[in-house]
Amino acid sequence: GEDVEQSLFLSVREGDSSVINCTYTDSSSTYLYWYKQEPGAGLQLLTYIFSNMDMKQDQRLTVLLNKKDKHLSLRIADTQTGDSAIYFCAVYRGDKIIFGKGTRLHILP
Amino acid sequence: EAGVVQSPRYKIIEKKQPVAFWCNPISGHNTLYWYLQNLGQGPELLIRYENEEAVDDSQLPKDRFSAERLKGVDSTLKIQPAELGDSAVYLCASSSSPLGGSGFAGELFFGEGSRLTVL
Repeated sequence: GEDVEQSLFLSVREGDSSVINCTYTDSSSTYLYWYKQEPGAGLQLLTYIFSNMDMKQDQRLTVLLNKKDKHLSLRIADTQTGDSAIYFCAVYRGDKIIFGKGTRLHILP
Repeated sequence: EAGVVQSPRYKIIEKKQPVAFWCNPISGHNTLYWYLQNLGQGPELLIRYENEEAVDDSQLPKDRFSAERLKGVDSTLKIQPAELGDSAVYLCASSSSPLGGSGFAGELFFGEGSRLTVL
């Protein structure tokens, strides 16, 4: 079955860049996603990338996909206090969307 | 446009009691999902509906969990009887396109969740 792995915590100083990493096992995953969950809220889609792309940029967000290594990353430029949340990597594989356990991003002043 | 609405937001019950959660998806979204989110974990699919039909309920513990989506709009998830291990957040999500269908890019719209505590 599909396995999506993420580190659990990341601390970053305000204004620095945050890089959240994810690895997955199934190379047939067609779409890969980053969702954000703020305290007490549901998940919100931040961005996604199709498997035939290597990079996608959307304002402060940059997604990099390394299909050979099955590695997905999310870079948040100029990290702000409002970016403090849990970030979930997810992959779509035919009949399911599989989520990782989430990376909690903590912003240091 | 209203988002996915869930109720109740919080529920505390004693073990062996029944509990029900309600979800109203975004208008026009034919695909509805119920996910279970344990503390420190990512969401895990319980059941997926396309309109009224439950097309994927392989992860639903059918001995105590049931779900329905009458008329293809609102949905209810029930647990009877609840066990201590059922304490978690139950998330409802909806999407405008069927999973894997034409135009599907995988954007799920989530509600705020229903947090269940079983004592």
